[in-house]
Amino acid sequence: AQKVTQAQTEISVVEKEDVTLDCVYETRDTTYYLFWYKQPPSGELVFLIRRNSFDEQNEISGRYSWNFQKSTSSFNFTITASQVVDSAVYFCALSFSSNTGKLIFGQGTTLQVKP
Amino acid sequence: DAGVTQSPTHLIKTRGQQVTLRCSPKSGHDTVSWYQQALGQGPQFIFQYYEEEERQRGNFPDRFSGHQFPNYSSELNVNALLLGDSALYLCASSTGTGGYGYTFGSGTRLTVV
Repeated sequence: AQKVTQAQTEISVVEKEDVTLDCVYETRDTTYYLFWYKQPPSGELVFLIRRNSFDEQNEISGRYSWNFQKSTSSFNFTITASQVVDSAVYFCALSFSSNTGKLIFGQGTTLQVKP
Repeated sequence: DAGVTQSPTHLIKTRGQQVTLRCSPKSGHDTVSWYQQALGQGPQFIFQYYEEEERQRGNFPDRFSGHQFPNYSSELNVNALLLGDSALYLCASSTGTGGYGYTFGSGTRLTVV
């Protein structure tokens, strides 16, 4: 089975708090790609990061960081010092190609950052 | 550089009618994928078009069909609309060979009454 689970439906934090969004995936394939997308109220999905299954190096980009652990099939996303503009729905997705084929999305986590 | 453009932005249709949604991919992209996103859910893959052919299809009935034109733009057609077809329909473009990731449009909000 190929599946992505985001167990957190909604998270509410106060501005400047750190927040981690969890993502657990299931696949038997050895080559796959993991993505995080942000969906603001306007609707479009904004690409945040892609990781392939052979690259477990964690990454930090500004206030964002990602923790990929194949041993636990997790690809978690942390926002440091959250801001009100970070409020959105965040989706984790799985694909078997970097740019073709389908994306399998999780249910999404709604993040609300309060001032 | 224009991103992915979808039209219309909103649409209201009656049960049983047919609807056509349109998508223009990002400049330089030749592959178009369509997704259905019900309220409060993650997007679900409908199908993907490359070189004017349907390359992959998700678990959607034949009422959902599509087309890709020589300029890479695409249409999604849904026949015999059901109330359950009410959703945000997202188009994503990418390059069929090489490239990096997918670019999504803002979607068409379809309401079936």
